[in-house]
Amino acid sequence: ETGVTQTPRHLVMGMTNKKSLKCEQHLGHNAMYWYKQSAKKPLELMFVYSLEERVENNSVPSRFSPECPNSSHLFLHLHTLQPEDSALYLCASSQDQNQGSSPLHFGNGTRLTVT
Amino acid sequence: GENVEQHPSTLSVQEGDSAVIKCTYSDSASNYFPWYKQELGKGPQLIIDIRSNVGEKKDQRIAVTLNKTAKHFSLHITETQPEDSAVYFCAASLNDYKLSFGAGTTVTVRA
Repeated sequence: ETGVTQTPRHLVMGMTNKKSLKCEQHLGHNAMYWYKQSAKKPLELMFVYSLEERVENNSVPSRFSPECPNSSHLFLHLHTLQPEDSALYLCASSQDQNQGSSPLHFGNGTRLTVT
Repeated sequence: GENVEQHPSTLSVQEGDSAVIKCTYSDSASNYFPWYKQELGKGPQLIIDIRSNVGEKKDQRIAVTLNKTAKHFSLHITETQPEDSAVYFCAASLNDYKLSFGAGTTVTVRA
């Protein structure tokens, strides 16, 4: 049983819709992340939060808007997405943002399809 | 930034044989090299990692080797079993911050 829970597991949305992805971690970690996973490509880091403050925004388009209301919850708000945004979106957490000394724990992801 | 290349992209092995996946990295200052396993429908899970002050590390049937001079590191799986079928990702970290991932290797173990 993963300590990082993501909902929904699957999401289909039109380009004009607004939806949100949710992530919750039960590990007591202080850092949380959003990654984008596309087929045959490396995991792309999107956002990093440490102690509820955003510390990294990896040149992500503004149609993706993260929110971290507390250290256990992370959201990714989506609006006016493009078909190329279809991918698996993974949430992860770690004890702190030093990913070398505190390994990442991933959720099972949300499979997003933009039609 | 760090660039990690991973080969092969797909690997099919007979059950009981060994599997080897190799990754190269670009920045000689990278000092942390984890490997993640992603099973179908799940997120990646850390299976083994190695730091730049160590040349080899083993954990049961899996091992990782690091060649700092050549800037490459490899994952070795011995006596493969069907449950080893998954996508494996290597990664490298510069000064313990922000992992750069390889593109993944899909391993299929044939019964």
